[in-house]
Parts: sequence; structure tokens; C-alpha cells
Amino acid sequence: DTAVSQTPKYLVTQMGNDKSIKCEQNLGHDTMYWYKQDSKKFLKIMFSYNNKELIINETVPNRFSPKSPDKAHLNLHINSLELGDSAVYFCASSQGGGTNSPLHFGNGTRLTVT
Amino acid sequence: GENVEQHPSTLSVQEGDSAVIKCTYSDSASNYFPWYKQELGKRPQLIIDIRSNVGEKKDQRIAVTLNKTAKHFSLHITETQPEDSAVYFCAASSTSGTYKYIFGTGTRLKVLA
Repeated sequence: DTAVSQTPKYLVTQMGNDKSIKCEQNLGHDTMYWYKQDSKKFLKIMFSYNNKELIINETVPNRFSPKSPDKAHLNLHINSLELGDSAVYFCASSQGGGTNSPLHFGNGTRLTVT
Repeated sequence: GENVEQHPSTLSVQEGDSAVIKCTYSDSASNYFPWYKQELGKRPQLIIDIRSNVGEKKDQRIAVTLNKTAKHFSLHITETQPEDSAVYFCAASSTSGTYKYIFGTGTRLKVLA
């Protein structure tokens, strides 16, 4: 009954490969996000979707492509993986729509590019 | 652009003492300020939040204060316990525009037994 679930939990792959991370929320929230947490623990927003519409794209390389088939799902596809992509990627959701509501995070996906 | 500064980056306190973490935001449109606790290997979890129409909020040993004029907000933990050891993040967001949550750089709190 996890509110925000993302898979896989761990992802180890080689440079140049393409990989996807999936995220689903069962909170009925309108807005979903992808955050990247690097080795220094900084949490940086990458993308945000509101009701399947992209509303935030924070200077992320074109190799990263989010897709939201419906408002409960936000997947992240990464092409041509690079060493610098190694990080923990967190999916999150919030009520959005002009409400002051907190982010609910998934458990994270630790991506290691070798 | 929007920015949230957080200090200190590390904080060590003796068990039972208080801990204070401070944040400053740049976007005057920010009106919602949550605080998250992240234990090692786990996801950030909300511990307390405050909205811009309130100056202070308390929940047991945790309190948050907000000074809108100075664009400062702070987290106060009293009677610290070893299980309070974690990384704490402040954040700021606005209900207008893109609902972007900007996070501070985190504070690693160590409570020494």
C-alpha cells in the first residue's frame, strides 16, 4: 500500500546503455516530480508534470525523457547513460493545483553507471 | 532564480540538547515551507511544515518559525535523541506558477549519546 512506488530500487548499468525508471502514486495527486540526489545529498528538481502536462523542465540533458501516461504515473527514460548520471533518483507527488501541500517521495532508485 | 540557503551543513549536539537549522529563501512568492528528514538510505519524509500566514508552528519536540520580512525560517528540535540523527532539508514553494519545491542543501545532524 506504498503511496509512491518506484522501480527498480537499484539499477547498475554500463555507460552508453538506455534505462527506464517507473513511478506510480495512489494518492490521487495531480502533480508528480522527478528529483535527482547526488553524492553530496543535494536534491535537485528535474521534471514536474501536472495532470500529464509537463510544467517544469530544469535544464536537464535531452538524454532524459519523462513520460506521463496518466496522472498516477510518471516514468523516466535515460538514453546513452554517462558516469555523471550516477545518483539516487526520487519520484514524488503532491496535490498541486494551488494548494500548499507537501511532497510525498518514493523510496528512490539508486542508479550506478560503470 | 529561486534559491534556498541552509545552514549549518553539519551539526553535532549532545543528547538532550537543542538543535537549530536555519534557511533563507529568495523568491518572495514562496508561501509554503516544509521540512524533511532523511535517514541513511531512505527517502525524505515530511516532519513539519509552515504556511506563510503563520509565524510559528510546534509539534512535540519540533518547532518551525518563519520570518517573512527577512525571508528566514528555522527548524528547532528540543531534547534531541540519537534517533534524530539524519539529514534535514528545508524547502520553499509557491502556490502560484509551477508549484516548484526548491530544497536547501541539507544539514547532517548527529546526536551524540
